[in-house]
Amino acid sequence: SQTIHQWPATLVQPVGSPLSLECTVEGTSNPNLYWYRQAAGRGLQLLFYSVGIGQISSEVPQNLSASRPQDRQFILSSKKLLLSDSGFYLCAWSVQDREHTFGSGTRLTVV
Amino acid sequence: DAKTTQPTSMDCAEGRAANLPCNHSTISGNEYVYWYRQIHSQGPQYIIHGLKNNETNEMASLIITEDRKSSTLILPHATLRDTAVYYCIAIIQGAQKLVFGQGTRLTINP
Repeated sequence: SQTIHQWPATLVQPVGSPLSLECTVEGTSNPNLYWYRQAAGRGLQLLFYSVGIGQISSEVPQNLSASRPQDRQFILSSKKLLLSDSGFYLCAWSVQDREHTFGSGTRLTVV
Repeated sequence: DAKTTQPTSMDCAEGRAANLPCNHSTISGNEYVYWYRQIHSQGPQYIIHGLKNNETNEMASLIITEDRKSSTLILPHATLRDTAVYYCIAIIQGAQKLVFGQGTRLTINP
């Protein structure tokens, strides 16, 4: 069966520090991978998606970047965090015409 | 993707059926109606989807009107664990991106 792993579950980082969130998927090949963010009290916003290794599409201009070094690994990064980067970050995957499956999320607080 | 409209919030008594409406009047012929829910502090969870026929699974039933301009998600016997934000999304099956609206905040009351 397919599983998605996302870590850490919570993270507190100072302003200006770097960020690296990792997401891995097991049990499937060549999935579409996604990073979403949910600010406090707000809806889910798609940040990045990837249809293959090294292929990244950015949905909104921001302080973040994404990379896909391996087929089932998706990384969200920042060189210098801003206060506005705080939020709930969710990784998701899908294949072909199947529904999206989401990870358990990382709650990031920038202080 | 077609725009969907949902009530901001709804309440339902535990044990009763919860009926969540969604309007998608501009839906195109190849767009499916998908439902997801997000329990507090968790990732969204897929519930059900359909094109034009009514659908049922172990979680819920989906009723789509004949003109496909609206649909209703039915949780037949709501429990406290069904308290969540429910999102209705009209999208081509296999589309690469999901665009979430504000959804309906469903509260199940004891």
